[in-house]
Amino acid sequence: AQSVTQLGSHVSVSEGALVLLRCNYSSSVPPYLFWYVQYPNQGLQLLLKYTTGATLVKGINGFEAEFKKSETSFHLTKPSAHMSDAAEYFCAALGGKSTFGDGTTLTVKP
Amino acid sequence: KAGVTQTPRYLIKTRGQQVTLSCSPISGHRSVSWYQQTPGQGLQFLFEYFSETQRNKGNFPGRFSGRQFSNSRSEMNVSTLELGDSALYLCASSLVRSPGGEQYFGPGTRLTVT
Repeated sequence: AQSVTQLGSHVSVSEGALVLLRCNYSSSVPPYLFWYVQYPNQGLQLLLKYTTGATLVKGINGFEAEFKKSETSFHLTKPSAHMSDAAEYFCAALGGKSTFGDGTTLTVKP
Repeated sequence: KAGVTQTPRYLIKTRGQQVTLSCSPISGHRSVSWYQQTPGQGLQFLFEYFSETQRNKGNFPGRFSGRQFSNSRSEMNVSTLELGDSALYLCASSLVRSPGGEQYFGPGTRLTVT
């Protein structure tokens, strides 16, 4: 069965600092990897999608994700955090029995 | 284009009752997936429908069922409600059948079972 693991249920950064949210996937997962963001009491918003052959994927709001097959990772980054980035982030493998990670709550300190 | 809409947004039911949730996908999208989100279990896949046929199913009991209509709208039904069914139920639509298609989520239906 496919699985996705997010390392760190809570991440706290200062405004303007680098954001790094970690996601590892099981090797049985086809490269249908996504990152979503969820704000309180809302549905999920698509941030970005892995594209076959790419190593760096650009998404909305300045987010990027780097796909590393050798490390089975798909970590999400943003060079400079903004207060509005505070939310819960989910890594997902969509297809078949779609699987989501447990989520990482990002806190941004002023 | 209008996004994914879900009705109702909030629902309170009693144990033993049944409930039907509705999802209207983005215009032109033919795939609809349903998820259950709870604090303890996170986001769990329920099922996916494409062209009125269930294509994939998660590990939920038979009390959870769904269907899709010819206009791609989908409904989810939960019978004999249990307290543990209290959750946010999310619907997502995609242009294509999984895998690989981007899924766009609705705002969810918050179900409370008392």
